[in-house]
Amino acid sequence: ETGVTQTPRHLVMGMTNKKSLKCEQHLGHNAMYWYKQSAKKPLELMFVYSLEERVENNSVPSRFSPECPNSSHLFLHLHTLQPEDSALYLCASSRGQGAGGYTFGSGTRLTVV
Amino acid sequence: AQSVTQLGSHVSVSEGALVLLRCNYSSSVPPYLFWYVQYPNQGLQLLLKYTTGATLVKGINGFEAEFKKSETSFHLTKPSAHMSDAAEYFCAVIRPSGAGSYQLTFGKGTKLSVIP
Repeated sequence: ETGVTQTPRHLVMGMTNKKSLKCEQHLGHNAMYWYKQSAKKPLELMFVYSLEERVENNSVPSRFSPECPNSSHLFLHLHTLQPEDSALYLCASSRGQGAGGYTFGSGTRLTVV
Repeated sequence: AQSVTQLGSHVSVSEGALVLLRCNYSSSVPPYLFWYVQYPNQGLQLLLKYTTGATLVKGINGFEAEFKKSETSFHLTKPSAHMSDAAEYFCAVIRPSGAGSYQLTFGKGTKLSVIP
């Protein structure tokens, strides 16, 4: 257990479904992140939240919608996904600017059918 | 812009042999550098980090890395490989991303195999 908990661990969804990924940390960190890890591609930063405000959106399609209701929780809402969105989605958190490194969750393995 | 390049997407070593995973960075400012490890079906775990101070950094599981500014390198080493070291290793650098925030940018990763 790393201190960052992601649920569910595995998710299979159809292209017309709506689902949400959840991330929770109780490390006292004030920044949270969503990363996408696809086979044979570098880790891609999707969203950055600092002090519960989104400060970065790396041109992610609108079918991915993040929500950060407080500094301990982060969600990624999914709707009308495509098969190429199948990947491991990793949540991370950090204190301040992250100079001490990020703490990652175990990820949600998403398969879009 | 800051980025990292990991040389070799796959490295194989014999058990007990030296592990050397290469990472070079490009940075216009003094970098913060990291190595992460990912075991199958798991998230990323921080192995070690360089921010300031001593250029030889020791991490968990017997790994260490040396920051060499003249070579813009941050190679990861371990004197003697163990079967449990088989995993994927990622080099990363912190870079500013605007609006006062920073983001962690990763290399493509190096998969380490350990041969018995």
